[in-house]
Amino acid sequence: QVQLVESGGGLVKTGGSLRLSCAASGFTFSDFYMTWIRRAPGKGLEWVSHISSRASTIDYGDSVRGRFTITRDNAEKSLYLHMNSLRVDDTAVYYCARWNWNEASLDYWGQGTLVTVSS
Amino acid sequence: DIQMTQSPSSLSASVGDRVTITCRASQSISNFLNWYQQKPGKAPKLLIYTASSLPSGVPSRFSGSGSGTDFTLTISSLQPEDFATYYCQQSYGTPPYNFGQGTKLEIK
Repeated sequence: QVQLVESGGGLVKTGGSLRLSCAASGFTFSDFYMTWIRRAPGKGLEWVSHISSRASTIDYGDSVRGRFTITRDNAEKSLYLHMNSLRVDDTAVYYCARWNWNEASLDYWGQGTLVTVSS
Repeated sequence: DIQMTQSPSSLSASVGDRVTITCRASQSISNFLNWYQQKPGKAPKLLIYTASSLPSGVPSRFSGSGSGTDFTLTISSLQPEDFATYYCQQSYGTPPYNFGQGTKLEIK
């Protein structure tokens, strides 16, 4: 079955960096776009970034553009989010999810990893 | 960017009730509208895609409708496991594929 497992979250100071990982299994990873979404405490879901199957198309939300970088390693079936210049308002649970083009939706999600940015 | 507005932001209802949540897009998105359910401490789950289609395994008491800018999610007869937060998301054109602010469905 499809599984997505995030890791790499933790506590970091403002201005610091962190790299999140998402390990995929149960499907042909290299065939799918992948997406990062986050949920800050007490807030709703925010679309962060996505990457095409061969990394030729990448998009970012306005709040992270220029600070975050999404990458993937199809041989390792892994998705990454490199986060730099972290701010307190980046504190959130970060989810990776699979983008289903046929359904134009996020059909499988990981359980999330918590990133806490403190001043 | 396309903005999504859900209403209400919270809702109290009883088991067996019929419940409707609405979502409005800031511009026409055709039928590129999805609904997700999230329970505390859990990952979001896809409930409805392209406005009215149910993924395999989603109970038939959930239904979606709408096109253009106005959409609804209906739960025909609330079950105890349905108390959660619901989000709409547009997936029209190019990203960002923004979400609505969420509707928290609570037990009355």
